[in-house]
Parts: sequence; C-alpha cells; structure tokens
Amino acid sequence: SAVISQKPSRDICQRGTSLTIQCQVDSQVTMMFWYRQQPGQSLTLIATANQGSEATYESGFVIDKFPISRPNLTFSTLTVSNMSPEDSSIYLCSADRGGDTEAFFGQGTRLTVV
Amino acid sequence: GENVEQHPSTLSVQEGDSAVIKCTYSDSASNYFPWYKQELGKGPQLIIDIRSNVGEKKDQRIAVTLNKTAKHFSLHITETQPEDSAVYFCAASDQTGANNLFFGTGTRLTVIP
Repeated sequence: SAVISQKPSRDICQRGTSLTIQCQVDSQVTMMFWYRQQPGQSLTLIATANQGSEATYESGFVIDKFPISRPNLTFSTLTVSNMSPEDSSIYLCSADRGGDTEAFFGQGTRLTVV
Repeated sequence: GENVEQHPSTLSVQEGDSAVIKCTYSDSASNYFPWYKQELGKGPQLIIDIRSNVGEKKDQRIAVTLNKTAKHFSLHITETQPEDSAVYFCAASDQTGANNLFFGTGTRLTVIP
C-alpha cells in the first residue's frame, strides 16, 4: 500500500482559531477521506475529498466548519474552523486506489483546543 | 445505515495465549470486513480482511471468521506476543477500500509478558 504523510502530527490551538491539516500520498489515489477519532472512541467519517470538486460531507459535518480541498490525486487538506474544545480529536486522512484495493491511513493529527 | 458493534472493549491475555475479538453488523448488504490495528500515536493499519464469499481467512497467527447468516465476524490471534498490544478495530462496508467503511468501537488488547 502507499504511504500517507499528515502534517502537523499534533497541535495545541486556541479556541476560535482555525487549523489546516495536510495529507500527502506518495502515489496517485482514487479516493481520499477524512475521519475524526475522538479520545478513546472509534473512527467517524467526516467527508470524502473529491478531486477537482466540492467534498461530500457526512451527516453532522458541514463545509463551513470543515472545509476540504483536493487539488490533485495525491494531496488534500482539512481545515477545522473556529475551533472549540469539543473539536479536540485525532483527525485521520485515508485513501485507496479504487477497485478491490484496501484502505490505508495516515498517522493522524492529534488536535487539542484550549 | 450500517451499525457495527465490537466486543470486548478491553482484553488482557498472557503472552502465548489466544485472543478473540467479536463484531456484529446490521446491514446485510455489507460484504467487506477489514480489521485494523492501531498502535499508540499511529494511524490504523490493515492486518487482515475478508469478503463475504469466504467464511475464514488466515495469515500466520491471525485469522478472521465470518458468519453471514448471523451477521458476525471475529478476529483470532494465536500465540500472542507483547507487540500485539494495540487497539483493534473491525469495520464493515458494502465496498472494498476506504469508501463507506463503518467502524466498531475498538478493543484495547494488552498482552502481558
């Protein structure tokens, strides 16, 4: 499987500010996704990052709060806007190459909002 | 939508013993069932997966079984080692890959040396 690099790996942010997380894959992929993993909990899909078009958001997540970009087949960003302590989570980027290929994940970005 | 339940939430075993983690799913359309291992500070890593046309799959010390009728699947780790200590997630999807994956709540496995 390919390698996904996420930046930053962790950050501590003030409430009311925004943080952009970058996800870089070392080869072209068909699909890219963003997940949230709250402390001690499972993974919840935020959105599918569509190349060249607007992201597709899951129920409970909106573009104004989590704007996503995907300018090409190897890169995507997730912004967490106007942060509150409830946004403290691990944010994970995921991708696959389509067809019968498996999903693989980045190492995650651990966000703490104070 | 799909609902995946996972048990137990924590599991401690002695080194060398076996560990079993069980998951149930609700959507009969699900046909792909991966298992992920997440070590501290890392992202989930696929360790084994199974598709609904297969009842069992094995890879060295790891095996997964699937019962489509009962809608449950299990992860079996034999001869556990301390490096098996991690959080394990099951997932279900109606597609292969990262699309439409529904995750269980995770099992924290501790292997005691």
